[in-house]
Amino acid sequence: DQQVKQNSPSLSVQEGRISILNCDYTNSMFDYFLWYKKYPAEGPTFLISISSIKDKNEDGRFTVFLNKSAKHLSLHIVPSQPGDSAVYFCAASAGKNYGGSQGNLIFGKGTKLSVKP
Amino acid sequence: EPEVTQTPSHQVTQMGQEVILRCVPISNHLYFYWYRQILGQKVEFLVSFYNNEISEKSEIFDDQFSVERPDGSNFTLKIRSTKLEDSAMYFCASRDRGYEQYFGPGTRLTVT
Repeated sequence: DQQVKQNSPSLSVQEGRISILNCDYTNSMFDYFLWYKKYPAEGPTFLISISSIKDKNEDGRFTVFLNKSAKHLSLHIVPSQPGDSAVYFCAASAGKNYGGSQGNLIFGKGTKLSVKP
Repeated sequence: EPEVTQTPSHQVTQMGQEVILRCVPISNHLYFYWYRQILGQKVEFLVSFYNNEISEKSEIFDDQFSVERPDGSNFTLKIRSTKLEDSAMYFCASRDRGYEQYFGPGTRLTVT
C-alpha cells in the first residue's frame, strides 16, 4: 500500500521559473515530512523538512508547504536552475515522539525534475 | 562536512552466497538505518538500529538479513544466502536526535 504518493513521475520546467512538486499521504500518524534530492548513482540528499505542527518551511530557494487537512505537501523551487534537475523524493516519518528510536522513513516513488536552460 | 560512507560501491555475488555491506555513519549520530531501492522502484525501509539493538524492521528484513555494529564506527548489513531478488541499491543512513536522516552513496548489489 502506498502511504506516500507522488503522482507525477516527471516534471519539466524552464530555467528561472517555479517548480512545484506534489506529495500526498494517507497515514494521519505521520508527524514529520522530508524532501530528498537524488542524482543517479548517488544516495538521497536531504533538502528540506517540515513538522506537522507547521504549514510552511522555507530555506533559500526551497519552500515546503503542508496542508494537513488535505494530507498534501508540496515543494516549491524558485527560481529553478538546471542544477536542480534530479529525482525528488517525498518522505514521511511516524516517530512516536521527536527524536524517538524509530523514525524510519516512508518514501514516495519520486518525481524526476528536468530544468531546461 | 561529515558524511556517511559505504563500501563497496558495487558488489557482484552468486545466488546463495553471503554478502556483507559496510557503512560508516556520521560519527556523533545515534540512530542507524538500512534502506534498499530495487531498480525503478521506491526507496524501502529495511531496519533501524539504536543503542546496539534493532529497534524496528520491515517485512523485507527476514531471517536472511542481520545487522551489526561491531565497533564504534562501522555498521554492517549481512545477507546470509543471497537471492536474485536481493539485487538492489542498498543505502545506509544515520541521524542524531532530529528527524533528518543522512544517506550514504549506496552499494549496488548484483546477484547472479
